[in-house]
Amino acid sequence: DTAVSQTPKYLVTQMGNDKSIKCEQNLGHDTMYWYKQDSKKFLKIMFSYNNKELIINETVPNRFSPKSPDKAHLNLHINSLELGDSAVYFCASSQDRLAKQYFGPGTRLTVL
Amino acid sequence: ILNVEQSPQSLHVQEGDSTNFTCSFPSSNFYALHWYRWETAKSPEALFVMTLNGDEKKKGRISATLNTKEGYSYLYIKGSQPEDSATYLCASHGAGNMLTFGGGTRLMVKT
Repeated sequence: DTAVSQTPKYLVTQMGNDKSIKCEQNLGHDTMYWYKQDSKKFLKIMFSYNNKELIINETVPNRFSPKSPDKAHLNLHINSLELGDSAVYFCASSQDRLAKQYFGPGTRLTVL
Repeated sequence: ILNVEQSPQSLHVQEGDSTNFTCSFPSSNFYALHWYRWETAKSPEALFVMTLNGDEKKKGRISATLNTKEGYSYLYIKGSQPEDSATYLCASHGAGNMLTFGGGTRLMVKT
């Protein structure tokens, strides 16, 4: 069984569209995250979320928003997609904020 | 802004060599230091999480140490094998309550 799963694996879309990436974890973890792997292959935290608190990296544009329907899911919504949004996005989860994180397989987003 | 730096950026070693690399991080407002192993076309996989100054962790041939006062951690690999080839990432959990990753050290083990 996959611990942290993301769908879709690949997403190709036009500039200006709105899209979502889904993330699910079956580990019973309390905290979930979204990361962006930038053009230099660095992993940059976008959001950290548990059922009590959302922490947002202030450098993330407000076109990006996390939505959590329940503890096991944290979806990433992106409005008005731009070329610079093309990247690989990773979801992760952990038992608490300081514990080791388990990563999903990544979603490669290409904006044309 | 946290600045987590890793050195070297890349490293080529022969099979059987032992090697080590460095992660430096701001020592103020420190909570935890993570090490991850990231193989090409896969997801990062957690190796260690360390919180206390002087912590040492070991997993098979891989070990890590932590110095929170001076802000550095070392990762050691004993007797490198081709399957150890990967990018090794460290990440510091500090002020802002978020994990900040370094750029990674790319290790290539040649037979």
